[in-house]
Amino acid sequence: AQTVTQSQPEMSVQEAETVTLSCTYDTSESDYYLFWYKQPPSRQMILVIRQEAYKQQNATENRFSVNFQKAAKSFSLKISDSQLGDAAMYFCAYTNTGNQFYFGTGTSLTVIP
Amino acid sequence: DVKVTQSSRYLVKRTGEKVFLECVQDMDHENMFWYRQDPGLGLRLIYFSYDVKMKEKGDIPEGYSVSREKKERFSLILESASTNQTSMYLCASSPEGSSYNSPLHFGNGTRLTVT
Repeated sequence: AQTVTQSQPEMSVQEAETVTLSCTYDTSESDYYLFWYKQPPSRQMILVIRQEAYKQQNATENRFSVNFQKAAKSFSLKISDSQLGDAAMYFCAYTNTGNQFYFGTGTSLTVIP
Repeated sequence: DVKVTQSSRYLVKRTGEKVFLECVQDMDHENMFWYRQDPGLGLRLIYFSYDVKMKEKGDIPEGYSVSREKKERFSLILESASTNQTSMYLCASSPEGSSYNSPLHFGNGTRLTVT
């Protein structure tokens, strides 16, 4: 079975600084999709960024970028110029079928003013 | 924007009660999902449905059932609520297929407390 591991239950970052959240996964598939979701205190899960496994180029969305290392099965999220609104739980997720999504246990990010 | 609406934000029920959690999506998505979210455990899939009247068990289906009579509505049923079902429940939907453009769209969650 596929597993997704987030080894950092909590992280903190100073406002305007950069932080990297880690995610590793286990799969025997060669084609799959990876996602980072953000869950603020409002509880609404929001898609932050996504990556297709067969694309070598790392995805970027404004201040959010990923470091996708397929061989190492690693998918980390980098948040640049951190803002107070970035404070949230962040979940890494994997799917290869679109029917079954596997989530990590989450990383709680605190942004320090 | 896709809207996934869960009927209750907070719910308090007694042990042994039958509990219905309702979820409605407005984007004609084929797939709908029920997740349970607990601290330190992340999101765990209870059931999902890829079509009307179709359902598949997820990782933790015990104690739960689901109903999908219409495409836009997916209900989670706790036949006899127990205290260990106290949790946050998240509904999600996605269009058919596994592609870059098929991420999950989530509702706001229902925090259920069973006393």
